[in-house]
Amino acid sequence: GENVEQHPSTLSVQEGDSAVIKCTYSDSASNYFPWYKQELGKGPQLIIDIRSNVGEKKDQRIAVTLNKTAKHFSLHITETQPEDSAVYFCAAMDQTGANNLFFGTGTRLTVIP
Amino acid sequence: DARVTQTPRHKVTEMGQEVTMRCQPILGHNTVFWYRQTMMQGLELLAYFRNRAPLDDSGMPKDRFSAEMPDATLATLKIQPSEPRDSAVYFCASGPGTGAYEQYFGPGTRLTVT
Repeated sequence: GENVEQHPSTLSVQEGDSAVIKCTYSDSASNYFPWYKQELGKGPQLIIDIRSNVGEKKDQRIAVTLNKTAKHFSLHITETQPEDSAVYFCAAMDQTGANNLFFGTGTRLTVIP
Repeated sequence: DARVTQTPRHKVTEMGQEVTMRCQPILGHNTVFWYRQTMMQGLELLAYFRNRAPLDDSGMPKDRFSAEMPDATLATLKIQPSEPRDSAVYFCASGPGTGAYEQYFGPGTRLTVT
């Protein structure tokens, strides 16, 4: 099955700086890559996703890039704000037909005011 | 504001007791997923339904866990008998299906088995 690795496990940035989180996946057949933000005591919230036929997608201050050849994708957050502090998870969708999402281990982002 | 709802939000029970968790998917979504989140294992898929039919429950311990969708507005996850190692946060997610891959998570049920 799919194996997703995520780095770093923790990340601290100053408010206003950019944050980058990277993930790699193992199954070249995977074709859907969402990113989730999880705040304390809440469920994961879908913040952006990308399909394998697209190299980059942007939504205001967040963007995701995908390199299919290298099998890695990244989340970029610009002009970080304290409310961006949370745990971020990447995931890849297995294409066996079951629409299973395989999650990375998470990155705890802290934005320092 | 459509969202997935889960009840109860917290459950404390003793080992050996039956636990039932409920989920109401977003109206119109035809895929439902149950996940378990622990510090050690992260987010793990337990079961997956499409149009109320179970498609994959390979992640679930079959001897004690069961998942059902009695109707399109209710999904249940049952543990009988519960064990301390079942302590975790259980999330339900739903998705539009039909070529759309998005999954939207509920707030979770935090289960503690003593």
